[in-house]
Amino acid sequence: SQQGEEDPQALSIQEGENATMNCSYKTSINNLQWYRQNSGRGLVHLILIRSNEREKHSGRLRVTLDTSKKSSSLLITASRAADTASYFCATDNTHGSGNTGKLIFGQGTTLQVKP
Amino acid sequence: EAQVTQNPRYLITVTGKKLTVTCSQNMNHEYMSWYRQDPGLGLRQIYYSMNVEVTDKGDVPEGYKVSRKEKRNFPLILESPSPNQTSLYFCASTRGGPQGPLWNNEQFFGPGTRLTVL
Repeated sequence: SQQGEEDPQALSIQEGENATMNCSYKTSINNLQWYRQNSGRGLVHLILIRSNEREKHSGRLRVTLDTSKKSSSLLITASRAADTASYFCATDNTHGSGNTGKLIFGQGTTLQVKP
Repeated sequence: EAQVTQNPRYLITVTGKKLTVTCSQNMNHEYMSWYRQDPGLGLRQIYYSMNVEVTDKGDVPEGYKVSRKEKRNFPLILESPSPNQTSLYFCASTRGGPQGPLWNNEQFFGPGTRLTVL
């Protein structure tokens, strides 16, 4: 079942602006990951944040995690047209995944960055 | 280059005609998985494998089979495809296993196989 929910479902911004996407989940997690998917292509891992971490950076990406609110946000700073893609959060939760290693994906946020 | 490859990338077939989608990874990963992606339903796990000769069902295994005879390969088999299996399929691999010290479940995805069953 899908436990992650991204918000907003779609986001359109101008190049150079920041883009913020949010993800909420329902159960306790080991870690939360963000993936990017260009149209019809494979998912690419962006960043992983563990349940005991609150913030993580990677280049222009900043991820925060609030386990008390069961939510995470992905911030892309100084966006570029090449950032246009769908972004998914995925959780490796302590209940549903068990020993299967399954990631539970959200529905994704479609980001359009206009040149 | 470290990667997961899938073949074919696109396939149109007819109901009942057996097909196999191949998946291969060159990263010596123990864990491999198949997902399908459908509009409004997101990605759902079909089958997974923790290592050679160890496979198990995911959330939506009906109508699919897998095998893991070698570490690098994890083919997905549709014995008798039906139209409701029309979807975008992804293979993924991960270093280590859920109980191992290397595990963080970062998954490396293949480029996808778009399957249409008429």
